[in-house]
Amino acid sequence: QVQLQQWGTELLKPSETLSLTCAVSGDSFSGSYCTWIRQAPGKGLEWIGEISRSGNTDYNPSLKGRLTLSADPSKNHFSLRLGSVTAADTAVYYCARRVRRETPSSIYFYYYYMDVWDNGTTVTVSS
Amino acid sequence: ETVLTQSPDTLSLSPGDRATLSCRASQSIVASYLTWYQQKPGQAPRLLLFGASNRPTGIPDRFSGSGSGTDFTLTITKLEPEDSAVYYCQQSYSSPYTFGQGTKLEI
Repeated sequence: QVQLQQWGTELLKPSETLSLTCAVSGDSFSGSYCTWIRQAPGKGLEWIGEISRSGNTDYNPSLKGRLTLSADPSKNHFSLRLGSVTAADTAVYYCARRVRRETPSSIYFYYYYMDVWDNGTTVTVSS
Repeated sequence: ETVLTQSPDTLSLSPGDRATLSCRASQSIVASYLTWYQQKPGQAPRLLLFGASNRPTGIPDRFSGSGSGTDFTLTITKLEPEDSAVYYCQQSYSSPYTFGQGTKLEI
């Protein structure tokens, strides 16, 4: 059974750097991506970015310049670092497994979806 | 960036009713990259449908999806109180992989 467990800094001051780690058990993540998503209080879901086991990344342009995703295949860990945080970065942060599956009808397209999520970490930025 | 607009924002129905939730994209999406998630208060989102219409193991057949191009629909039949949640669509066709703003379903 695949499980994701996350930990990291939960209370920061403005301008500090947020650091989160997502540990995967039950799956080598070969062919999958670790996706990071956040949800500000009372708001919807925001896609932050994703990283493969080999280190291929895709970032949300709205966070580019402040965001770094990394992978440690030896530990099956994935990490997020977000610099220069402000109150607008206050949110619940989730990591999820994003899988890629072949479709029965086309060799050109795949199914992409996030099927396993962690419980989330509440991050608060406050002076 | 592909913007997903869900409607309605809130839907209030009774047990046994049928719910129809809409997700409209600002540009065309290949259906295999359209996913629906269900989120209950205090919980992480849960995968509901992938590829616009495919149910993962464990999702009841009361949940179904359809659509192509820019218009997608989630239909929930025979509503139960436990279906009360916020439902999000998400596209993974073009980066950044955006979510709709969500539809809150009240039973």
